[in-house]
Amino acid sequence: EAGVVQSPRYKIIEKKQPVAFWCNPISGHNTLYWYLQNLGQGPELLIRYENEEAVDDSQLPKDRFSAERLKGVDSTLKIQPAELGDSAVYLCASCRDRVSDTQYFGPGTRLTVL
Amino acid sequence: EDQVTQSPEALRLQEGESSSLNCSYTVSGLRGLFWYRQDPGKGPEFLFTLYSAGEEKEKERLKATLTKKESFLHITAPKPEDSATYLCAVQSSSDQTGANNLFFGTGTRLTVIP
Repeated sequence: EAGVVQSPRYKIIEKKQPVAFWCNPISGHNTLYWYLQNLGQGPELLIRYENEEAVDDSQLPKDRFSAERLKGVDSTLKIQPAELGDSAVYLCASCRDRVSDTQYFGPGTRLTVL
Repeated sequence: EDQVTQSPEALRLQEGESSSLNCSYTVSGLRGLFWYRQDPGKGPEFLFTLYSAGEEKEKERLKATLTKKESFLHITAPKPEDSATYLCAVQSSSDQTGANNLFFGTGTRLTVIP
């Protein structure tokens, strides 16, 4: 079974530029998460999707961050414009459904904002 | 508010030197406690889920235990390939949506020296 796929793996941009991250969850997994992980810290939830619906986006900075999950499969996380403090690893995870316990993580996208 | 504290922040062991990592938690109703392993440049890899005090789970050289206030990850006769950051996370049963959001600690960085 293929794992969670993320791209790109690395991204370097100038501040104020836009950036987008893509995630393909494990086949059949209805719940999808985006996390942010700063160096030396644990992952922090940004947004959770149940199928195509964003059901928990309370931690997403909505002034510059947006996300979508069209057709309830792949998801895209966007930052516009990026700030220096956005440099971090952005992780995607998926879970079979809202009842299932285990979240499976992708390799992450390391963003560097210059 | 949910809180997860992991100690020590970093641990260096000689190959074969057994030790334990600690995860102390405060949560309004524990639904589950999770251990993940994270290698540099990769996403967290699921290890264990514990649900109730007294529960234990084992996998190769790792054994996780749970009390009402903390969890331990015991590493028996570690090998260099066990070097990684070990993350602890909790799920709260007080989440009204029934969601399985994870709240992570900051991790313990383990180095096993040959």
